[in-house]
Amino acid sequence: AQSVAQPEDQVNVAEGNPLTVKCTYSVSGNPYLFWYVQYPNRGLQFLLKYITGDNLVKGSYGFEAEFNKSQTSFHLKKPSALVSDSALYFCAVRDINDYKLSFGAGTTVTVRA
Amino acid sequence: NAGVTQTPKFQVLKTGQSMTLQCAQDMNHNSMYWYRQDPGMGLRLIYYSASEGTTDKGEVPNGYNVSRLNKREFSLRLESAAPSQTSVYFCASSEGGLFYGYTFGSGTRLTVV
Repeated sequence: AQSVAQPEDQVNVAEGNPLTVKCTYSVSGNPYLFWYVQYPNRGLQFLLKYITGDNLVKGSYGFEAEFNKSQTSFHLKKPSALVSDSALYFCAVRDINDYKLSFGAGTTVTVRA
Repeated sequence: NAGVTQTPKFQVLKTGQSMTLQCAQDMNHNSMYWYRQDPGMGLRLIYYSASEGTTDKGEVPNGYNVSRLNKREFSLRLESAAPSQTSVYFCASSEGGLFYGYTFGSGTRLTVV
């Protein structure tokens, strides 16, 4: 069965500093990986995905994620965080045997001015 | 704007009452999903519909029923609401293939008293 772990409930960074949100996954075959962001009182919005190809994937709002097969990780990164990046971030995975996405528990990011 | 529309946005029910959450998408997506979001638990799948005419149970189906009325609409029914069903409910849709993520609605905040 597929699963996702987000080991940090909260991440706090200062504006202008690098931001990293961690995600590890477990699948039986090749993974299809996604990141979503949720702003307060809103639905989830798609940020980026990894299907195949380059291990570094670029997405919306200056975010990128690095796929590492040996470490089964897909960490979300932003070189310089903004206060407006404060939100709840979800990692999700799907393997080839299941078209449904499995979501992590989410990581709350707070960027202080 | 194209997307997933959920109604209502807010609802308060008394224990034992019934209600139906409505969801409609206008992207011609094949698959639709109902999730509930609870603090610290991320998103949990209640029911899904891989295609028009089919529905299947997810992780937490007890106390819920669904109807895929047509390709556009996927409703979630609570037959006898319980306080444990207090949550934020999200509907999502997808083209259904392995490469595609989900498009989410803005959610329904349900309180059962």
